[in-house]
Amino acid sequence: AQSVTQLGSHVSVSEGALVLLRCNYSSSVPPYLFWYVQYPNQGLQLLLKYTTGATLVKGINGFEAEFKKSETSFHLTKPSAHMSDAAEYFCAVSETGNQFYFGTGTSLTVIP
Amino acid sequence: EPEVTQTPSHQVTQMGQEVILRCVPISNHLYFYWYRQILGQKVEFLVSFYNNEISEKSEIFDDQFSVERPDGSNFTLKIRSTKLEDSAMYFCASKGSTFNTEAFFGQGTRLTVV
Repeated sequence: AQSVTQLGSHVSVSEGALVLLRCNYSSSVPPYLFWYVQYPNQGLQLLLKYTTGATLVKGINGFEAEFKKSETSFHLTKPSAHMSDAAEYFCAVSETGNQFYFGTGTSLTVIP
Repeated sequence: EPEVTQTPSHQVTQMGQEVILRCVPISNHLYFYWYRQILGQKVEFLVSFYNNEISEKSEIFDDQFSVERPDGSNFTLKIRSTKLEDSAMYFCASKGSTFNTEAFFGQGTRLTVV
């Protein structure tokens, strides 16, 4: 069975500080992994995805994530937080690229 | 940039009424989805639709729900006899092909059942 656990429903960081949003998954086969971001009153926008190949993937807005099979993790990072990064972030897993299983989301607050 | 659009953005309905949530997927996409998110809970898969038929559905998607692509551009979710627990944000998504892994999501319709 596929599932995603996002540790920390709310994360606060200072502007310029490292952003680390945690995601652990379970899957019976090598998964596709995704991070989506949702700004207020907007849809889910893809930040980055891992399908195959290089385990460190880079996405939009300076975010990156590393697929660690041994830890079943796909944590999202950004070296320096910006005020515009404040949003809800969702990790998702899919075995087929068809049905997605989402985590409960992490709300990121950036403190000036 | 092409996007998935959903209407209305917010719908309030009385318990027991039928509602239709509308979505316009990206025009050349072939796979269509509905997801929902009850406040404070996970985004949950409801149904996927391909080639004018349901390809997968979750346990949530019971006889109360139906989907339709009536005119080749719209993709609708109908909820019959709404219940209070149907209150949620409903997201539509579309994907270009079976080889695409990225699904594009709409901004959601917030359904409130009173």
